[in-house]
Parts: sequence; C-alpha cells; structure tokens
Amino acid sequence: EAGVVQSPRYKIIEKKQPVAFWCNPISGHNTLYWYLQNLGQGPELLIRYENEEAVDDSQLPKDRFSAERLKGVDSTLKIQPAELGDSAVYLCASSLGEVTDTQYFGPGTRLTVL
Amino acid sequence: AQSVSQHNHHVILSEAASLELGCNYSYGGTVNLFWYVQYPGQHLQLLLKYFSGDPLVKGIKGFEAEFIKSKFSFNLRKPSVQWSDTAEYFCAVNEVYSGGSNYKLTFGKGTLLTVNP
Repeated sequence: EAGVVQSPRYKIIEKKQPVAFWCNPISGHNTLYWYLQNLGQGPELLIRYENEEAVDDSQLPKDRFSAERLKGVDSTLKIQPAELGDSAVYLCASSLGEVTDTQYFGPGTRLTVL
Repeated sequence: AQSVSQHNHHVILSEAASLELGCNYSYGGTVNLFWYVQYPGQHLQLLLKYFSGDPLVKGIKGFEAEFIKSKFSFNLRKPSVQWSDTAEYFCAVNEVYSGGSNYKLTFGKGTLLTVNP
C-alpha cells in the first residue's frame, strides 16, 4: 500500500514569492494533517482536516498561509508571500479518523527561503 | 499549553548497550502517548503508542515504553541497541477530555541517537 505522498521534496524560493505544497494521503484516510517542523524541533500542527472540512486551523498563520482539501482527498498548503522565517520542513500526515489511530507521515517538503 | 520535554538532545551509545530516552509532559489529565522514530533519510514512523491498560507498552524492533502517571513520564527503552537504531526519536502527547480527545499531537524536540558499531 502506498504511503503518504508529498511533492515537491525540496523547494528553494526567494522571499516574497508564493509557494505551494501538495499532499496525497493514504487511500481511505479521512483525516489529514499539515505540520511544520523547524530545525531542531518536533513537528507542530498547522491544520487538521476531516474529509474536506478544516476542523482545527487555530495554529495556521492565516495572513499568509492557506490550505484546501478539495473533494476530501488531496490537499494543498500555500504560503503567499513567503518570508525568510518560513524555511522549514512541511509534513503531511493522514489517519483513519479516530484520535487513537496512528498518524502516518509523508517524507515532507523542505522549503528554503532566500 | 501542553508541553513535552525530551531531556537528551543527543545520545551516543555503542552496540549492545542499553537505551533509555526520557519523555515528560505537562498535562495533568488523561493523555494518549506516542513514540515516533525518523531513520536517516526516511519519514516519521510510529514506534509504539499508549492509550490505556498495561502501562508497559511494547513496540516494533524490540522497543518498549513505560507510562508512569505520577511522574508524567513515558520513557522509551531498549535492552540492547543496534547500529540500525541510529535515528531521531520523538515523544508525542495528546490530551483526552471527557467529551472526546484533542487530536493535536504535541511533540517533543526529539533525541538524536547515534549507535556506534
């Protein structure tokens, strides 16, 4: 069974440019998460989706970050405009939906903002 | 806010040595507890998890963890490490409320384990 797929794996952009990350969760997983991982830190939740509904976006900086999960499957996370401090790894995870279910993580997208 | 502390930033061991990685959390109520591992060049994957029942949890690859509620701890152990255990280990916690649970996982900063052959 395929795992969580993310693309691109690496992205280098200049500040003030827009950037988008894509995630395809494990088939059948209703819940999708986006995490931010800064260097030397653990992942921090940005947003959680149940199907196509964003049920927890309290940690998402809405002035520059946006996310969508059309049709409740794939998801896109966007930053516009990017700032130097956005350099980090952006992780996507998915789970079946119960809080006790394991979250399966993708390989992440490493973003470098110059 | 919930916080998770992992006491050791970097642990270096020789093969066959015993391992214990510390994890403490701050939430005073019921919690779900997880250990994730990230091998070099790979994605985060679950080692083990605790929700209820026996506080000694066994996971993959010979790892186990013990939940001690009175100490707010969930330490990871392995009696004899191998070179292939070299990885970064993350402890994570979510809070359980009477009406459900908080899905948000709070992660520690991670412990890098280096096992020398």
